[in-house]
Amino acid sequence: KAGVTQTPRYLIKTRGQQVTLSCSPISGHRSVSWYQQTPGQGLQFLFEYFSETQRNKGNFPGRFSGRQFSNSRSEMNVSTLELGDSALYLCASSPGQGSDTQYFGPGTRLTVL
Amino acid sequence: AQSVTQLGSHVSVSEGALVLLRCNYSSSVPPYLFWYVQYPNQGLQLLLKYTSAATLVKGINGFEAEFKKSETSFHLTKPSAHMSDAAEYFCAVSDISGGSNYKLTFGKGTLLTVNP
Repeated sequence: KAGVTQTPRYLIKTRGQQVTLSCSPISGHRSVSWYQQTPGQGLQFLFEYFSETQRNKGNFPGRFSGRQFSNSRSEMNVSTLELGDSALYLCASSPGQGSDTQYFGPGTRLTVL
Repeated sequence: AQSVTQLGSHVSVSEGALVLLRCNYSSSVPPYLFWYVQYPNQGLQLLLKYTSAATLVKGINGFEAEFKKSETSFHLTKPSAHMSDAAEYFCAVSDISGGSNYKLTFGKGTLLTVNP
């Protein structure tokens, strides 16, 4: 099976802009989670979607949002970008039930100038 | 809230030596515990996981970890380090408080350097 894919891999934006990142889970997986990785804060959970519904949410401002489509692909959006949003954004997919393992994609490196 | 502490942000070993990466967790319920590895400019790769079955868990690439409830620890070991093991390692615990097993709380990571 193909792994988790994320597009784009690299992105450069300026403050105030918005950005949309995309994640395609492993075929058959219904759960998609998003994480932000920065040198200062480490890996932090953003949110998790299962069958198009947000099932869990981390402690991030409302500028961070996401959605999941019927084919389980997910997008996350960050509006009004700030310098501190520069990070590696990781998507992880899972079948979605029980103690399932999360499988991570390669990430999208976002740089905000 | 659950938390994970990884002792030592940087561990350096010689090739062929024992690798020991420490992880302690805090959880009010039986946790699910994971070790992931991250190579430069890549995502996270699962090494192994503990989900309340055997306390000694074997993973990929010769790694294993032992769950010790009394010590709230889940240390990662490998008997003999290889140059290809150089990477950053993350310990994580899953949080089921929100009704989902999929909120992972990560430690700060340990960068493993392997010297020839």
